[in-house]
Amino acid sequence: NAGVTQTPKFQVLKTGQSMTLQCAQDMNHNSMYWYRQDPGMGLRLIYYSASEGTTDKGEVPNGYNVSRLNKREFSLRLESAAPSQTSVYFCASSEGLAPPNNEQFFGPGTRLTVL
Amino acid sequence: LAKTTQPISMDSYEGQEVNITCSHNNIATNDYITWYQQFPSQGPRFIIQGYKTKVTNEVASLFIPADRKSSTLSLPRVSLSDTAVYYCLVGEGYSTLTFGKGTMLLVSP
Repeated sequence: NAGVTQTPKFQVLKTGQSMTLQCAQDMNHNSMYWYRQDPGMGLRLIYYSASEGTTDKGEVPNGYNVSRLNKREFSLRLESAAPSQTSVYFCASSEGLAPPNNEQFFGPGTRLTVL
Repeated sequence: LAKTTQPISMDSYEGQEVNITCSHNNIATNDYITWYQQFPSQGPRFIIQGYKTKVTNEVASLFIPADRKSSTLSLPRVSLSDTAVYYCLVGEGYSTLTFGKGTMLLVSP
């Protein structure tokens, strides 16, 4: 099993460009998440999907959109990238949202730079 | 949401036991306590989760006193590879998704 995969691993954008970060999991998990992590900071939740067909805003949703394409895939879109969105983006999944079944499994991250 | 407070950093030596305490004074009845570990350039990794008393697995123990207002992650006999950031999360459902800045543990030879 690959676990949680993310593409691309690295990306450089110019201000105003758009892009989609892809995430897929093969653990048959119901819940999926997108976080961003800035240097020296903890992770901040952007959006999450408690189950297929639902998405909800997290702590820092402005400038992002998400799509839960199916149970396996959860994508994050930047419509008009800004330098403030330079960060490392992590996707995660878990069996469910509530403990004790909410152990999150994280992907390797996407390092995004916006010039 | 239960707010957590943990030390910004800790230092230890190889072979020592390390205890990282997390304070969560306003923990709610249904909240669980979860710890994650993060190495540089990697996503966090789940370590342990508990609700009350003591939980132990192959890598760590979690001690939770009766009032549940704090918890302690115990790492026995640390090695250099345990150098990482450790996050304490408290909550139920959506509220469990809040990662603070964590505790940077540095293990020296």
